Amino acid sequence: DTGVSQDPRHKITKRGQNVTFRCDPISEHNRLYWYRQTLGQGPEFLTYFQNEAQLEKSRLLSDRFSAERPKGSFSTLEIQRTEQGDSAMYLCASSLAGSYTFGSGTRLTVV
Amino acid sequence: EDKVVQSPLSLVVHEGDTVTLNCSYEVTNFRSLLWYKQEKKAPTFLFMLTSSGIEKKSGRLSSILDKKELFSILNITATQTGDSAIYLCAVEGGSNYKLTFGKGTLLTVNP
Repeated sequence: DTGVSQDPRHKITKRGQNVTFRCDPISEHNRLYWYRQTLGQGPEFLTYFQNEAQLEKSRLLSDRFSAERPKGSFSTLEIQRTEQGDSAMYLCASSLAGSYTFGSGTRLTVV
Repeated sequence: EDKVVQSPLSLVVHEGDTVTLNCSYEVTNFRSLLWYKQEKKAPTFLFMLTSSGIEKKSGRLSSILDKKELFSILNITATQTGDSAIYLCAVEGGSNYKLTFGKGTLLTVNP
């Protein structure tokens, strides 16, 4: 592993459609985070896994958002019934002992 | 709720100038404070600070943490146009030691 991989890099979807993003962390990292970043803002915490357990989910996250990390490896973030306000960069990061590595992000555009 | 506040939000300087970026925080169970540089992609790591008063230095960049006053500064000396980026401050803490970001400082270095 050379880093955190995110797929796809870009996604354009019509309002109301469901989208799913994937994150492959650095293999030995036990923690995995999802953040959302809009223009001019710092990354906003969405949710966090330690191994396969989802330990925290932001109160800002609506029920349309769900994340999984089966077997403590890769993670998926699904957004159901997308809205224009969901347009943002979705960043994944993995960490071990305080060392964080970010993926390049998935840029979502909802039209 | 954990809070990280950066100032200024944006800054325009000329090449060769020295800049100081500020980060204040309120977080429970503080573990570390991290600085990142973000250009058009994912944030890239600059420094991790855990102890007060110990300066971390990398080339023209340096940073220091004050855990009593709950702030950190990032200094960049002899700025270059390649330093133009968003500088993000993040604090690791809270009940699950998640990483909380500030909004960032947009630095523009003009030739």
